Amino acid sequence: QSALTQPRSVSGSPGQSVTISCTGAIIGIGGHYYVSWFQQHPGKAPKLIIYDVTKRPSGVPDRFSGSKSGNTASLTISGLQAEDEADYYCHSYGGTYILELFGGGTKLTVL
Amino acid sequence: QVQLQESGPGLVKPSQTLSLTCTVSGVSISSADYYWSWIRQSPGKGLEWIGYIYYTGNTYYNPSLKSRFTISQDTAGNLFSLELTSVTAADTAVFYCARIGSRSSSSGVPAFDIWGQGTMVTVSS
Repeated sequence: QSALTQPRSVSGSPGQSVTISCTGAIIGIGGHYYVSWFQQHPGKAPKLIIYDVTKRPSGVPDRFSGSKSGNTASLTISGLQAEDEADYYCHSYGGTYILELFGGGTKLTVL
Repeated sequence: QVQLQESGPGLVKPSQTLSLTCTVSGVSISSADYYWSWIRQSPGKGLEWIGYIYYTGNTYYNPSLKSRFTISQDTAGNLFSLELTSVTAADTAVFYCARIGSRSSSSGVPAFDIWGQGTMVTVSS
């Protein structure tokens, strides 16, 4: 059982926007901004697409954006493309005891 | 260009010890800017952080996992390793090594920014 909760699946049509949520008590702690997001295609290693809640690594399209409100972090993908169909995982620093937490993952289907 | 490459046996018998190695190129694992991690993914399941090692040799593990895991490093070879004892079928998974920046350093990204391709390990007799 993950301490970060994600929806099992989301879907959207090409060109639309979708948002994937990641909820956990650790995210709501004041000053906490160590939330990252990963994209994983079948048979491939995860790829970092967002870190520090809102930052994008070099080479990640600006269609991918991150935000946080209260104890929920969100990944928004705008202008959906077929190649965005993948599994998405959130990750958070869990504090000095738990350290690193992953969400259970969300399968994005592009209709 | 930083690259991580896992290596190890694809098949391990139950009750045996699994040993995996992650060879790092393009950056020294002796850098104070990074932690060197192991993450696993059981078939059809999500990502599970196992633990990481810092250049000092200090290790940190997922407290929710039983203490069958040991992470070590070989700074001369620029690699780090994972050992898992008393494996069972439930340990069948893809094992990834990954880099994460130190949150107390201004260099590096405080997230798992570089991953190996992963190595599939099957536990079966």
